[in-house]
Parts: sequence; C-alpha cells; structure tokens
Amino acid sequence: AQSVAQPEDQVNVAEGNPLTVKCTYSVSGNPYLFWYVQYPNRGLQFLLKYITGDNLVKGSYGFEAEFNKSQTSFHLKKPSALVSDSALYFCAVRPPTGTASKLTFGTGTRLQVTL
Amino acid sequence: DAMVIQNPRYQVTQFGKPVTLSCSQTLNHNVMYWYQQKSSQAPKLLFHYYDKDFNNEADTPDNFQSRRPNTSFCFLDIRSPGLGDAAMYLCATRVAAGGVSSNQPQHFGDGTRLSIL
Repeated sequence: AQSVAQPEDQVNVAEGNPLTVKCTYSVSGNPYLFWYVQYPNRGLQFLLKYITGDNLVKGSYGFEAEFNKSQTSFHLKKPSALVSDSALYFCAVRPPTGTASKLTFGTGTRLQVTL
Repeated sequence: DAMVIQNPRYQVTQFGKPVTLSCSQTLNHNVMYWYQQKSSQAPKLLFHYYDKDFNNEADTPDNFQSRRPNTSFCFLDIRSPGLGDAAMYLCATRVAAGGVSSNQPQHFGDGTRLSIL
C-alpha cells in the first residue's frame, strides 16, 4: 500500500526567506509524485509533478521540488517566500501502474508567510 | 479557459433531505472523481468514473451515489444527509487512456461547501 507523510502541520517563514515543506512517501516501484496547493474556500491547484528524469522539478509560482529516491522524499521548496504563498499544501503519490490509479494525499501542511 | 466547474459553491440542506451537487468540465477528460474534504484535512476519495465505468471506494457510505450522464457532467447525490456529511465536496478530472501511464495531474473544481441544518 502507498502512503505519504507530511511531518509538519504548519510551517512559518518570513517573506523573502526560503521555504521548505517536507514530504516523504512509501510506494512499490517508481512513484509518481505531485504537489498541490489549496487556498481558502478553493479547490486544489496542481503545482508540479515528478515522473522520471531530473530530480529537481520546477513548477508554478516559482516552486520547485527535489526527488530523493534514497530518502524517499519529495520536499517542496521556494527560494524566496511571498505572503501570497500562505496556503495549505498537499503532497500526493500515485503508483505508476493502472490508468485510473488513485492519488494518496498527505495530511497537508499549512504554510504561513509573514511580513 | 477550460476548467472544472462546481455548482453551487455553497449548499445548505436539512438533515435527511436529499441533495445533489453538480460538476461540469470543459477539459474533455475521461476520468472524474468525487472527494470529501473536512476541516483542511486531506481529500477523501468517494468514487470515480473511468469513462462510464463507476468505481466506488470500499468505505464510501451507501448514502452517497453518483451519476455521470455524459463526459462533461457528473453528479453527487446524498440521499439522506446526516450532520457528519457536512464538508467540502471536490470534483476533479484527469485524462487517462489505455497504454498511457497515469502521470497526468488531476484538475480540481473549487468545491461545494455543504452545510446540514
């Protein structure tokens, strides 16, 4: 069975500082990994994904994530945080087999960026 | 812009009174999902359609039903809502085809927040 862990319920960072939101996963085989962001009273927005290839994946709004197979991690990063980045972030994993295979989400991490 | 649209955004119903939530998409995606999300928790998958094939999650209550009359529309019916069904309901779509690996992201609507009186 696949699983995702987001060990931090909340991450606080000052605007302009780098941010990291952590994610570790467990899945058989090579995973497909995703990050989504959710703003209040909105649906989830896709940020980026790792399928294969370069371990550093760049996504929307200046976010990037680094896939580390040995540590089974897929941490989300941004060099300089903005107040507007404050939102709920979900990491998700999907096994590579099955054309309708399901996403497993982490429990979410609330990012709070302050001035 | 192509998108996933959920109506209404906010729905209030009475305890035990049937309610239907709707989702439409202009993406022409063949897979559609319904999720329940409570209090900033992770979305919980209720069921999904792969084309016309319906797939129910094992722990989805019988109280929840779904219809997909065509590619563009999908409905969530809650036959007898209880207080515990108050939540945000999210619809999502994804393109998937035979022989193509499942690496495409899901596209979410903005949800319907359901309140039970």
